Amino acid sequence: AQSVTQPDIHITVSEGASLELRCNYSYGATPYLFWYVQSPGQGLQLLLKYFSGDTLVQGIKGFEAEFKRSQSSFNLRKPSVHWSDAAEYFCAVGGYGNKLVFGAGTILRVKS
Amino acid sequence: IAGITQAPTSQILAAGRRMTLRCTQDMRHNAMYWYRQDLGLGLRLIHYSNTAGTTGKGEVPDGYSVSRANTDDFPLTLASAVPSQTSVYFCASSDSTHEQFFGPGTRLTVL
Repeated sequence: AQSVTQPDIHITVSEGASLELRCNYSYGATPYLFWYVQSPGQGLQLLLKYFSGDTLVQGIKGFEAEFKRSQSSFNLRKPSVHWSDAAEYFCAVGGYGNKLVFGAGTILRVKS
Repeated sequence: IAGITQAPTSQILAAGRRMTLRCTQDMRHNAMYWYRQDLGLGLRLIHYSNTAGTTGKGEVPDGYSVSRANTDDFPLTLASAVPSQTSVYFCASSDSTHEQFFGPGTRLTVL
């Protein structure tokens, strides 16, 4: 069965600092991987996705993620965080059919 | 309409009452989904539909039912609401690429 672990429930970074959010997945074959962002009171917006090919994926808002098969990871990164990046971030894995399994989420706080 | 709409935006419901959450998409996506979001648990799949006329159970289907009479609409029904169904409910749809598009959510409180 598919599963996703986001080890960090909360992360606080200073504005302008770099960011890395961790995601580990469990899936028997090559997975489809996603990062979504949710601002307070809003729905989920897709940041980026990995289906195949280049393991470094660029997304919107300056985010990128790297697929590492050997570590079963798909960590999200941003070189310089802005106050508007404060939100909750979800990693998800998809495989059979169209269903996704989501991690529990990481809440990002940005301090000025 | 652009994307996915959900109604109502929020609702307070007495336990034991019946409630239907509405979801409509205009992207002509074949697949649609219902999730519930609870603090610390992320999003959990309740029911899904891969195409009009078919539905399937997700991770937490008990107490919920769905129907898919046409491509655009995917209502979620709570036959007899209980307080543990207090949650934020998200509808989503996807095309063949597996990317899911989400609605704005319905905040449901069952007292």
